[in-house]
Amino acid sequence: GQNIDQPTEMTATEGAIVQINCTYQTSGFNGLFWYQQHAGEAPTFLSYNVLDGLEEKGRFSSFLSRSKGYSYLLLKELQMKDSASYLCAVKTGGFKTIFGAGTRLFVKA
Amino acid sequence: DAMVIQNPRYQVTQFGKPVTLSCSQTLNHNVMYWYQQKSSQAPKLLFHYYDKDFNNEADTPDNFQSRRPNTSFCFLDIRSPGLGDAAMYLCATQSTGGKNIQYFGAGTRLSVL
Repeated sequence: GQNIDQPTEMTATEGAIVQINCTYQTSGFNGLFWYQQHAGEAPTFLSYNVLDGLEEKGRFSSFLSRSKGYSYLLLKELQMKDSASYLCAVKTGGFKTIFGAGTRLFVKA
Repeated sequence: DAMVIQNPRYQVTQFGKPVTLSCSQTLNHNVMYWYQQKSSQAPKLLFHYYDKDFNNEADTPDNFQSRRPNTSFCFLDIRSPGLGDAAMYLCATQSTGGKNIQYFGAGTRLSVL
């Protein structure tokens, strides 16, 4: 079967660093995405990894280990506006992408 | 400027009354998707189009149909909505080159009374 696991909720403090983990078991792998979704809004693209290693983009970094079926999203210098759900998604093949249920991040002052 | 536009943002229908949700895009992407997302759950793929080729997920109920009359527009028809169909419906587009990033519309929240 296809499975993507991420923690349901996390809480962190403004200005801190938080790491959101994702593990996946899928029938195919053609890349891993992280999307941010604010409550009641559409997901927006944050990052993409297809090779092992770290991709850095401003305050956001994403890491991938294909052999371990593992990724994380690292958010630095947290801001209140970062309070949102973060969805891990795997492109499995063709045009199909499987999404995780998302991690709800609460940033407190 | 919005690139993937969904109308309406909120839709209320009655049990069993057909409803159509619409999506348009200005990105000229070949691929368009419809997802169903219930509260605190992952978006669930219902179907996708690659140009005019329609691809239905095996577990998408027959109650859900789709039309794509041209590159820019795609419609989701729910023939006989049930209470369990109340959800956010997300449309997304994707080009066939590059990283295959999906661009989502703001969604239509469907309520069934």
